[in-house]
Amino acid sequence: EVQLQESGPGLVKPSQSLSLTCSVTGYSITSNYWGWIRKFPGNKMEWMGYISYSGSTSYNPSLKSRISITRDTSKNQFFLQLNSVTTEDTATYYCARTTVATYFDYWGQGVMVTVSS
Amino acid sequence: DIQMTQSPSSMSASLGDRVTITCQASQDIGNNLIWFQQKPGKSPRPMIYYATNLANGVPSRFSGSRSGSDYSLTISSLESEDMADYHCLQYKQYPYTFGAGTKLELK
Repeated sequence: EVQLQESGPGLVKPSQSLSLTCSVTGYSITSNYWGWIRKFPGNKMEWMGYISYSGSTSYNPSLKSRISITRDTSKNQFFLQLNSVTTEDTATYYCARTTVATYFDYWGQGVMVTVSS
Repeated sequence: DIQMTQSPSSMSASLGDRVTITCQASQDIGNNLIWFQQKPGKSPRPMIYYATNLANGVPSRFSGSRSGSDYSLTISSLESEDMADYHCLQYKQYPYTFGAGTKLELK
């Protein structure tokens, strides 16, 4: 069974970097696409970006140059780094798998990140 | 970016009611739309793929339809377990974009 699990600090200070890990079991991240999505307080959701089976990436332009998604295939993990965070980056962050047939079919349980001094 | 205008933002309905939630796309997205259900403390669950296709394990009371740029999720007979937030997502064009969400509550 495919399982994803996010991990990382729940509290980040403004202007610092947010770093999260998504650990995947039951499926290799060298197949398909692996993305990050966040849900803000108040219910709005945002697709942040993905890393593909080959290591190529695609990002939401709204995040400009603040975002980076990388991976470690030996550990079957991929990572989110978001730089220069502000309180507006406070959200629950999810990682999810996408295939060409079934988009966003498997999700992690989510990790709540608060940006506050 | 493609804007997805979702309505209503919230609604209350009774058990057994027929419920419809709608998303309107600002540009052509074909059938490249997913409906998600999300319950408190849980991750989103895809319910409908490609605008009209039921995802694995989803009860048949859920259905998806399209009329032009309007996409609808319908629950034919509401059950208590359907109380949740619902979001649409277009995956026709990057960046993928979500509707603002609908909170479905029991009347």
